[in-house]
Amino acid sequence: GAVVSQHPSWVICKSGTSVKIECRSLDFQATTMFWYRQFPKQSLMLMATSNEGSKATYEQGVEKDKFLINHASLTLSTLTVTSAHPEDSSFYICSASDFWGGSYEQYFGPGTRLTVT
Amino acid sequence: SQKIEQNSEALNIQEGKTATLTCNYTNYSPAYLQWYRQDPGRGPVFLLLIRENEKEKRKERLKVTFDTTLKQSLFHITASQPADSATYLCALDVKGGSQGNLIFGKGTKLSVKP
Repeated sequence: GAVVSQHPSWVICKSGTSVKIECRSLDFQATTMFWYRQFPKQSLMLMATSNEGSKATYEQGVEKDKFLINHASLTLSTLTVTSAHPEDSSFYICSASDFWGGSYEQYFGPGTRLTVT
Repeated sequence: SQKIEQNSEALNIQEGKTATLTCNYTNYSPAYLQWYRQDPGRGPVFLLLIRENEKEKRKERLKVTFDTTLKQSLFHITASQPADSATYLCALDVKGGSQGNLIFGKGTKLSVKP
């Protein structure tokens, strides 16, 4: 099956610094990747849709200047959390979309645990 | 607004029994519905997809039903095993969304006791 990787798997940073998270589709090309955030015991919340070669589409309430998304190739999307604060501590998960059998299936990365101190 | 609910936060069953998880949605007519498994600290893993014109789909010990009149999907795990213990998420495609936008339920945490 399709494999999506994320790096790093966990990161601890100080308040005010920036953190970059990478998402790669390893065995297929993904024109669209998604970034989610998940707080403990909560559902995955879509943050933004990342399209290769164009600007990301952000969900309502998600600051595009704080969460910078770059989708420079068909296999790589990056999320940069700028000027991170403790409330940004969360589990960030990316997914890549592949069209299969008449519908889009999403394949998720293993997630990145961000802790801001 | 589109709303999706998994009405059990947790479900505890005995090994060998059938686990049944429920997913309800409102204000929406999805083209398809998906079920995922999520283990602690991990990303979701795709299990099954069922389309609006399908009533039932099976995969090994898994069975999913989709009732568009009731706006409900049931997810069954037969002959459950402790290894099936995880959180199970249902997800709907977002109407008008591009290339697979999904909205997720909060999940049901299944615990299978030996």
